[in-house]
This record gives sequence, C-alpha cells and structure tokens, in this order.
Amino acid sequence: AQSVTQPDIHITVSEGASLELRCNYSYGATPYLFWYVQSPGQGLQLLLKYFSGDTLVQGIKGFEAEFKRSQSSFNLRKPSVHWSDAAEYFCAVASRSNDYKLSFGAGTTVTVRA
Amino acid sequence: DAGITQSPRHKVTETGTPVTLRCHQTENHRYMYWYRQDPGHGLRLIHYSYGVKDTDKGEVSDGYSVSRSKTEDFLLTLESATSSQTSVYFCAIKRTGGAEETQYFGPGTRLLVL
Repeated sequence: AQSVTQPDIHITVSEGASLELRCNYSYGATPYLFWYVQSPGQGLQLLLKYFSGDTLVQGIKGFEAEFKRSQSSFNLRKPSVHWSDAAEYFCAVASRSNDYKLSFGAGTTVTVRA
Repeated sequence: DAGITQSPRHKVTETGTPVTLRCHQTENHRYMYWYRQDPGHGLRLIHYSYGVKDTDKGEVSDGYSVSRSKTEDFLLTLESATSSQTSVYFCAIKRTGGAEETQYFGPGTRLLVL
C-alpha cells in the first residue's frame, strides 16, 4: 500500500526567509506526486505536480519541488516566504492507474512571523 | 475553479440520524471522490466513482455509502451518524487527458455530530 510521510507537523519561518517542506513516500513504483495548500477554512489548492520528465517542477506562488527517486522524496521549497504563505501544506501521491486514488500525508502547518 | 459545489457547507446533526452530503460538478468528469479530513491524518479516501452507478470503496468506507445516478452528482450518505464521523468532507473530481490528470477539490462540508 502506498503511504506518505511529512515529518514536520509545524514549521515557523520568518517572512523573507526560505522554506523547505519534506515529503517521503512509500510505493512500489514511481507514483504521481502532488503538493496542495490549504488556507484556514478553505479548500485545497494544487501547488504543483510531478508526472515524469524534469525532476524539478515549478508551481504557482513561487513554489518548486524536486523529485528524488533514490530517496523517495518530493520536497517543496520557496526561496522567500511571504506572510500569505501561512497555511497547511499536504503532499500526496496517486497510483499510475485509472482510478487515481490519492494518498495524503498528515500535513505541515506553516506559520510566518514578521 | 473546478466547477464543484458541495451542499450543505455546514451541518450539525445528532447521533443516529441519517445525513446526506451532495457534490455537484458542472464539467462532466467521469471520476469523482469523497474524502474526509481530520487533524493528524490529512485527507483519507472514503469512496469514489468512475461513472454513473459505478462506485468503489476507499480506505475509510465503513459507515458510509455513496450513490451516483447521474454524472454531475455524487452523494455521500451516513446511514446513522456517529460522533467519530465529525469531520470536514471534501469532494473531488479528476480532470483527465494530457497534463491535466489531476484531482481538484470542492470547498468542503463541515459536519458536526453531537
């Protein structure tokens, strides 16, 4: 069965500092990989996704993520955090099959201090 | 915006009562999903549908049933609500084809079972 681990439950970062959120997955083959963001009281918004090809993917809001097959990781990064980036971030994987069921990590809450 | 609406958006009910949540989509997608979100668990798949009258179970399907009598609507029913089903419920659709093999989420329904 596939599983996703986000080791950091909560991260606090200063505005303007860099941010890295970790994601590790367990799966028999390379799955599809996603990062979603959820602002308080809101639904989930897709930040970026990896299907194949270039292992460094760019997303919205200045985020990027790097797929490392050898480490089964898909870490999310942003060079300079803005106060509006305070939210909960979820890593997810989906099987490369038609039913495309997503498995989510438990999430990482990001707090941005002035 | 993925053209997904959920109703109701908020509901308070009592233990033992039946509850039905509705997910409506406007883009004629074949695949639809129901997830629940709980602190420390991220989102977990309850049921999904791959066409009219075609549904299957997810990882946390006990106590839930679904129906899909037309493409645009996917209903989630709690036959006899329990306090453990207090959660936020999200519906999702899968956009297929090319680079759009991605799930998009509705705004969520907050359910409180007293």
